[in-house]
Amino acid sequence: ILNVEQSPQSLHVQEGDSTNFTCSFPSSNFYALHWYRWETAKSPEALFVMTLNGDEKKKGRISATLNTKEGYSYLYIKGSQPEDSATYLCASPYNQGGKLIFGQGTELSVKP
Amino acid sequence: EPEVTQTPSHQVTQMGQEVILRCVPISNHLYFYWYRQILGQKVEFLVSFYNNEISEKSEIFDDQFSVERPDGSNFTLKIRSTKLEDSAMYFCASRAPGQNYGYTFGSGTRLTVV
Repeated sequence: ILNVEQSPQSLHVQEGDSTNFTCSFPSSNFYALHWYRWETAKSPEALFVMTLNGDEKKKGRISATLNTKEGYSYLYIKGSQPEDSATYLCASPYNQGGKLIFGQGTELSVKP
Repeated sequence: EPEVTQTPSHQVTQMGQEVILRCVPISNHLYFYWYRQILGQKVEFLVSFYNNEISEKSEIFDDQFSVERPDGSNFTLKIRSTKLEDSAMYFCASRAPGQNYGYTFGSGTRLTVV
């Protein structure tokens, strides 16, 4: 059974703080790791898809790393802004191109 | 940028009533999915659909649920007799052939069963 876990469940930071969240997944039968950003009433927005051990991806102030051998990924936000407030979801496919198994999400709140 | 569109954004229904949730996937996508998130729980897979048939379904997707692609553009999820525990956010997603990791999600339909 593929189980994806995220921590923390919620995070409250001040504007300008840097923050990071963790996603853990089984290291066996790994295909990919997705990070999504989800704001209420909007579609989950794809941030990164990572497939290779040691992958590091960056999009503006947001970056992510992947360790498939130990089964975790970190998402970093540098200099958080109020507009970064959202739920960040990670997910891993059960098989190639198959259903996604999601973590419980990390709800980030950035106060001005 | 192409979008997956879901309607309605919010639906309130009485227990025992039938509901149909509608999705318009991206036009060149051939793989379609429904997921749901009950408040406070993980997003969970319901069903995947390809080539006009269900390719996989979860334990949640029992006889009360059905999916259809009635006209080549819409992709619908029907719940025949809603229960209180069906209250959730329902997401549609689609994926293009050959793009194993390119899932695009809609903005969801919040279903409230009273």
